[in-house]
Amino acid sequence: DAGVTQSPTHLIKTRGQHVTLRCSPISGHKSVSWYQQVLGQGPQFIFQYYEKEERGRGNFPDRFSARQFPNYSSELNVNALLLGDSALYLCASSLGGSKNIQYFGAGTRLSVL
Amino acid sequence: SQKIEQNSEALNIQEGKTATLTCNYTNYSPAYLQWYRQDPGRGPVFLLLIRENEKEKRKERLKVTFDTTLKQSLFHITASQPADSATYLCALTISGGYNKLIFGAGTRLAVHP
Repeated sequence: DAGVTQSPTHLIKTRGQHVTLRCSPISGHKSVSWYQQVLGQGPQFIFQYYEKEERGRGNFPDRFSARQFPNYSSELNVNALLLGDSALYLCASSLGGSKNIQYFGAGTRLSVL
Repeated sequence: SQKIEQNSEALNIQEGKTATLTCNYTNYSPAYLQWYRQDPGRGPVFLLLIRENEKEKRKERLKVTFDTTLKQSLFHITASQPADSATYLCALTISGGYNKLIFGAGTRLAVHP
């Protein structure tokens, strides 16, 4: 079975631009979460979606938005990019439930110049 | 304030020895504590989960302890191998709503032949 897939793998943007990152979860997983990971830090939670509904949101500005589609895939959108948005963006899927074990994709490396 | 602390300095050990990594937290009441492994340029991979009412969990060469009084988890890798070299992240599952997962910054482990 395929794991979590993310696209693109790398992206270079300039300040002020917009970016869309995509994620396909493991088959059967209805929950998708997005994380931002800056070099030397652990993943920081951005959003969680379950059954197409936003379940949780981390401490990120409104420039960050996401959605989940009927096939449970998801997009993360970031508007008005800042240099500080440069990071590895990780998508994770899970079955949901109390344990919330996350299965991560390889991430999208975003560089903002 | 709420914090998760892992040793920021890399842990260097000799092959065959036991590696012990520490995760301390303050002002959280996690229902579960998880450990993940992350290799450079890759997403984290789930290793083990321990519940708040469990003291110890084992899986092959891995052992996790969880002391909710000390607010500390220890992660042990016995008979370590160079292939165990990676960054190890601890994460707390906070119950309620969407069962938020909060990561520490990770500890880099290097196992030398």
